[in-house]
Amino acid sequence: KAGVTQTPRYLIKTRGQQVTLSCSPISGHRSVSWYQQTPGQGLQFLFEYFSETQRNKGNFPGRFSGRQFSNSRSEMNVSTLELGDSALYLCASSLTGSDTQYFGPGTRLTVL
Amino acid sequence: GENVEQHPSTLSVQEGDSAVIKCTYSDSASNYFPWYKQELGKRPQLIIDIRSNVGEKKDQRIAVTLNKTAKHFSLHITETQPEDSAVYFCAASKAGTYKYIFGTGTRLKVLA
Repeated sequence: KAGVTQTPRYLIKTRGQQVTLSCSPISGHRSVSWYQQTPGQGLQFLFEYFSETQRNKGNFPGRFSGRQFSNSRSEMNVSTLELGDSALYLCASSLTGSDTQYFGPGTRLTVL
Repeated sequence: GENVEQHPSTLSVQEGDSAVIKCTYSDSASNYFPWYKQELGKRPQLIIDIRSNVGEKKDQRIAVTLNKTAKHFSLHITETQPEDSAVYFCAASKAGTYKYIFGTGTRLKVLA
């Protein structure tokens, strides 16, 4: 089976812009979670989607949003980018959301 | 709120020695505890996990122990090898929340 894929792998934006990141889960997996990874903070949970519904979200401002499509692919959007949004954004998929998560390679976002 | 503390943040061991990383969780209802290994520039990969109905689990040189009373769980790596050098993350999840809380990571260096 193909693993979790994320596009793009690298992105450079300027403050105030918005960005959309994409995640394709392992075939058959219906749960997709998103994380922000920074050197000092580790992996911070953003949100989780299952069958196009957000079931939980972390403590991030409303500028961070996401959605999931009927084929389980997911996107996350960050509006009005700030310098502090520079990070590696990881998505992870699992069958149900309560089982093993498999991570994608991440999207490295740099905000200038 | 939910929290997972991970110690130490860095750990250096001689090749062949054992390494132990400890995590403490705050939510006593947590019932699933995975460990991930992240090599430089790579995605996190699951190396072992344990559920709350089990006290210990072993897979070759890797073992995880869980103490529900103390709310902590530990990763044990025996006979360490240079390829074990990586950042290790623990996580905790509670049934029905679809949310994983990660520790801040331990950078393990195995010295040849």
